[in-house]
Amino acid sequence: GAVVSQHPSRVICKSGTSVKIECRSLDFQATTMFWYRQFPKKSLMLMATSNEGSKATYEQGVEKDKFLINHASLTLSTLTVTSAHPEDSSFYICSATREDEQYFGPGTRLTVT
Amino acid sequence: GQQLNQSPQSMFIQEGEDVSMNCTSSSIFNTWLWYKQDPGEGPVLLIALYKAGELTSNGRLTAQFGITRKDSFLNISASIPSDVGIYFCAGQEPGAGSYQLTFGKGTKLSVIP
Repeated sequence: GAVVSQHPSRVICKSGTSVKIECRSLDFQATTMFWYRQFPKKSLMLMATSNEGSKATYEQGVEKDKFLINHASLTLSTLTVTSAHPEDSSFYICSATREDEQYFGPGTRLTVT
Repeated sequence: GQQLNQSPQSMFIQEGEDVSMNCTSSSIFNTWLWYKQDPGEGPVLLIALYKAGELTSNGRLTAQFGITRKDSFLNISASIPSDVGIYFCAGQEPGAGSYQLTFGKGTKLSVIP
């Protein structure tokens, strides 16, 4: 099946710094990727839809200036958490669409100290 | 956005027992999907349902797309220890762009050997 990777798998950063998370579709091209956030023991909450070559579409309540999304190529989308704070600590998961299916990455655990 | 009610929240069962979980929504969905998520990993698709009334099996898993298009269930027969994890339902609403999904809150399954 299709493979989606994320890098890094875990990251610890200090409050106030920025962190970039990469999402790659390894064996297919994805014009659309999604970014989700998941709190412990909670469901996946869609943050934004990342479209190759255009601006991302953010869900209500998600700050676009804080969570910068860049979909620079058909195989790569990046999520940058700017000026991170402890409340941004979470599990971030991306997915990429291939035909009618979404394929999920393994997730990135962000801890902001 | 659309809300999905998934139940039960958690289950403890003996190995060999059958398991059933379900999701309901207040509005119709075009597609119902069932995912399994292991700790620290992204969700993995188990079964996809595309038509009302559809009943689909994948090994010991069986899922159905309710005829009202507002509900779906997932059954696991003869559970084994590796079935442990969190199961999520997800739905795609009519007209939802770019295959956007709404997730249920998950059912945490524990299997006692």
